[in-house]
Parts: sequence; C-alpha cells; structure tokens
Amino acid sequence: AQSVSQHNHHVILSEAASLELGCNYSYGGTVNLFWYVQYPGQHLQLLLKYFSGDPLVKGIKGFEAEFIKSKFSFNLRKPSVQWSDTAEYFCAVNARGGYQKVTFGTGTKLQVIP
Amino acid sequence: KAGVTQTPRYLIKTRGQQVTLSCSPISGHRSVSWYQQTPGQGLQFLFEYFSETQRNKGNFPGRFSGRQFSNSRSEMNVSTLELGDSALYLCASSPGEAADEQYFGPGTRLTVT
Repeated sequence: AQSVSQHNHHVILSEAASLELGCNYSYGGTVNLFWYVQYPGQHLQLLLKYFSGDPLVKGIKGFEAEFIKSKFSFNLRKPSVQWSDTAEYFCAVNARGGYQKVTFGTGTKLQVIP
Repeated sequence: KAGVTQTPRYLIKTRGQQVTLSCSPISGHRSVSWYQQTPGQGLQFLFEYFSETQRNKGNFPGRFSGRQFSNSRSEMNVSTLELGDSALYLCASSPGEAADEQYFGPGTRLTVT
C-alpha cells in the first residue's frame, strides 16, 4: 500500500521568499503524483499533477514540482510567494495501473506574512 | 459545468444517531470518492465508487457505508455516530475511469455531540 509523508506541518514565510514543501511517498511501483491546495474557505483544488514524461511539472499560479524517482520525492516549489498563497497544501499519490485509490499526505499549512 | 455539490453543508447529530450525506458529481464524471478530513490527519480515504460499484475501501469500521446510483450521485451513511466521527466529509469526482485527478466538493461539516 502506498503512503505519503509531508514533513513540514506549518511553514511561515515573508512575501517574496522562496518556497519548497517536501513530499515523499512510499510505493514500489509506478505512481501518479499530485499537489492539491485548499485556500481558506474554499474547496480543495488541483495545483499540478505528474503522470509521466518531464519530471519537472508546472502548475497554476507559478507553482512547480519535481519528481525525483530515486528519492521517492515530489517537492513543491515557488520562487516568490505572495500573501494570497496562504493555504494548506496536500501532496497525493496513487499507484498507476488498475483503479487504485488516491492517498493524501497530512498537509502543510503555509502562512505568508505581508 | 456545475462543480461537485454536497448536501447538507452542515450537520449536528448526537451520539448513537445515524447520518446520510449526499454528493452529486460533475456531469459526466462516473468515479466518486469520499474522504474524511480532520485537523492533523489530512484526508483519510473512505471509499470510491465507479458505475455503482465500490472499487476501493479505506480502513474505516463497518459503520461507514456508501453507495452510488445509476446517475452517479453517491451517498454515504454513518450509523451509531461517535464523537470521533466529527469531521469534514469530502466528496470528489473524477473524469476518467481511474480516480486519479479529482474535483472536490465543499464538504459536509458533521459535528457529533
């Protein structure tokens, strides 16, 4: 069974700082990887996804993530955060092939200070 | 297209009661998944349905059950409610046959007193 670890539970940054949120997964086979974001008072929404191909994936609002297979990691990055990026970020994984459930990490709360 | 809708949005129940939550997926989506979200626990997978069949089930007790109708709408039921069942219950639908890329509803906030 797959599992996901997000080591940072709460991150506080000043505007314009760079962001990197860690995500590691545990699964021996091929996976699909996702980052979801939940802004205050809003639905969870997909930020970006990786299925195959270029391991550097670009998503909405200037976010990107890099899949490093050897490290079982899919870290989320943004070069310069804004106050509006304050939200909770969830990494998720599902095993490719068949109809596998999606497993989510426990989330990282990002607070951006103006 | 309308998004995923969930009803009711808020619910207060007492221990021992049972509750039914409803989810209408995005039109054309046939896969529906349910999650329980609590602070510090993230999203815990409950179950996933596709074409009225439960394809996957999480590690929740049998008090948690669900079903999907022919129009892809889904319901989940929790019987004999416990205080620990207080949570945000999220429904998500997926456009393909696999429940990978998911579109979430606003959730139902269940409070058990």
